[in-house]
Amino acid sequence: SQQGEEDPQALSIQEGENATMNCSYKTSINNLQWYRQNSGRGLVHLILIRSNEREKHSGRLRVTLDTSKKSSSLLITASRAADTASYFCAPGGYQKVTFGTGTKLQVIP
Amino acid sequence: DAGVIQSPRHEVTEMGQEVTLRCKPISGHNSLFWYRQTMMRGLELLIYFNNNVPIDDSGMPEDRFSAKMPNASFSTLKIQPSEPRDSAVYFCASSPGRGRTNEQFFGPGTRLTVL
Repeated sequence: SQQGEEDPQALSIQEGENATMNCSYKTSINNLQWYRQNSGRGLVHLILIRSNEREKHSGRLRVTLDTSKKSSSLLITASRAADTASYFCAPGGYQKVTFGTGTKLQVIP
Repeated sequence: DAGVIQSPRHEVTEMGQEVTLRCKPISGHNSLFWYRQTMMRGLELLIYFNNNVPIDDSGMPEDRFSAKMPNASFSTLKIQPSEPRDSAVYFCASSPGRGRTNEQFFGPGTRLTVL
């Protein structure tokens, strides 16, 4: 497995704005997942995109995957204060994934 | 389903003591993972099991750490003897482990403080 690298490390926006986080990785993958971690809690799975998919939506979340550039982005539209959390990407295969250091998102009411 | 259950939620112990962390995965899940999270090192995979068999323990920091999965519904992570640098939040996660979906479901974590 390999570790994803999220960018930026921290992001602060106003409620209602969109938030974009990026993830880069180094080798071929079968899929890539995004997780959210609220302070003091375990990670929660948000969305999985397979290597043969380019874009995927789930509610206010939009994930893109560019395997040629080995990168992915997570867009949260119309952000809410409750979206304040750390977001991790997990590029990986069938079993083991390795989490990066995450993007810490703060949504200001 | 109650989700992944971890106990205890908080543990404070003194250096040199043995610490045992417990995890009950989601019923029917075939894979179980132990992670450690600290501010300095982020989220580290310590070990994972597939069908109760340890597959990869390369993340276990040293011999003081050991993990077992005696059956499909229970796993332990033991630290003996514990040291202050072991202070961290330890997460257990389980995954269906079938097909191409490897979504992991995390427990609430055990916050360990070693004095």
